[in-house]
Amino acid sequence: AQRVTQPEKLLSVFKGAPVELKCNYSYSGSPELFWYVQYSRQRLQLLLRHISRESIKGFTADLNKGETSFHLKKPFAQEEDSAMYYCAPFNYGQNFVFGPGTRLSVLP
Amino acid sequence: NAGVTQTPKFRILKIGQSMTLQCTQDMNHNYMYWYRQDPGMGLKLIYYSVGAGITDKGEVPNGYNVSRSTTEDFPLRLELAAPSQTSVYFCASSRTSGRGNTGELFFGEGSRLTVL
Repeated sequence: AQRVTQPEKLLSVFKGAPVELKCNYSYSGSPELFWYVQYSRQRLQLLLRHISRESIKGFTADLNKGETSFHLKKPFAQEEDSAMYYCAPFNYGQNFVFGPGTRLSVLP
Repeated sequence: NAGVTQTPKFRILKIGQSMTLQCTQDMNHNYMYWYRQDPGMGLKLIYYSVGAGITDKGEVPNGYNVSRSTTEDFPLRLELAAPSQTSVYFCASSRTSGRGNTGELFFGEGSRLTVL
């Protein structure tokens, strides 16, 4: 069965500290991996996708197929990064499976 | 462009009542989805549609119905509301490419439904 785990429900870090949001998946095929983010009072939106290999708002994510992980990282967290983050694997022709989400709180 | 628009934003229902959550998108996307978000549970897919006239069940379809008469609109109907349907509902859409669904979802703002 397709499954996504995000082990931390809540992650609190201080401003300027590194942050890593973990995502592990159990998925058939070779999914593409996405991170979605929901800031306070805003709608869910795409943060980044692994196929793009880009850094968005200072965040990067490396797909480790051996460990089936897609952890989201940022070297220096900012207060505006506080939000709910969802990992979502996706196979073309199928539907997304969303992880349970991690709430990131960046403290001043 | 407005993107994906959902109405209402909030609603309180009594057990056994019915209602329709409206969703419309102006991006000419073929794919549309309804998700529910329960605390600590992530998003669960209720129904989806790959184009006008075509709908299919997702992971948690029981107690819901959908229709897709136009590309733009994808209403979600709750019949005989139950407390278990208390949740936040999100409508989303995505466009297609040569490979089908491109994978990027565009979400509405959400509709918070409480069933008492």
